[in-house]
Amino acid sequence: DARVTQTPRHKVTEMGQEVTMRCQPILGHNTVFWYRQTMMQGLELLAYFRNRAPLDDSGMPKDRFSAEMPDATLATLKIQPSEPRDSAVYFCASGLSRDPRQETQYFGPGTRLLVL
Amino acid sequence: AQKVTQAQTEISVVEKEDVTLDCVYETRDTTYYLFWYKQPPSGELVFLIRRNSFDEQNEISGRYSWNFQKSTSSFNFTITASQVVDSAVYFCALKHAGNMLTFGGGTRLMVKP
Repeated sequence: DARVTQTPRHKVTEMGQEVTMRCQPILGHNTVFWYRQTMMQGLELLAYFRNRAPLDDSGMPKDRFSAEMPDATLATLKIQPSEPRDSAVYFCASGLSRDPRQETQYFGPGTRLLVL
Repeated sequence: AQKVTQAQTEISVVEKEDVTLDCVYETRDTTYYLFWYKQPPSGELVFLIRRNSFDEQNEISGRYSWNFQKSTSSFNFTITASQVVDSAVYFCALKHAGNMLTFGGGTRLMVKP
């Protein structure tokens, strides 16, 4: 049963600290998405990769957030420095893009981040 | 602009009742895809169904059924004979030319025994 995995599942940190979240997409998938979920904003897309290349990161605050795919099996989302308003659940999703619009995104379990 | 509206923020039913979750969308694209995801209390997002804009056939999967009406831009989800395990937040989402998913605000379904 192939699944997207995310680590850590929970993270509590202090304001100003660096946070790194990791995602392992489903083997063979070539698209990766990072979403953030908050009560106020709901689910928002932060970044999107296809074949490891970033295609859209317009939803991401550029000054403190960065997203990378060092290889096809690992995607990372970093926040430096973290702020209390970054507290949220961060989801990674992956898909297989033959027809981008048809592709289904499968979500990981999320990383619940609390910045104090 | 693309938009998904789930007007029901919270629904409470008693086990075995049927329940319909509404989803209305807006898009200028002629080709698009609609999705439903379930988010149980454990927090993960579980894919339920994908529908494309040129296939208006309704779909049934066990106790779940989906009614896609292009004329009213709606993609409603019905659970028949609801069970406690159906308690979750359900999200409707739209994927359009930009390949991004636009999510609705979600409907929290509580099924009481």
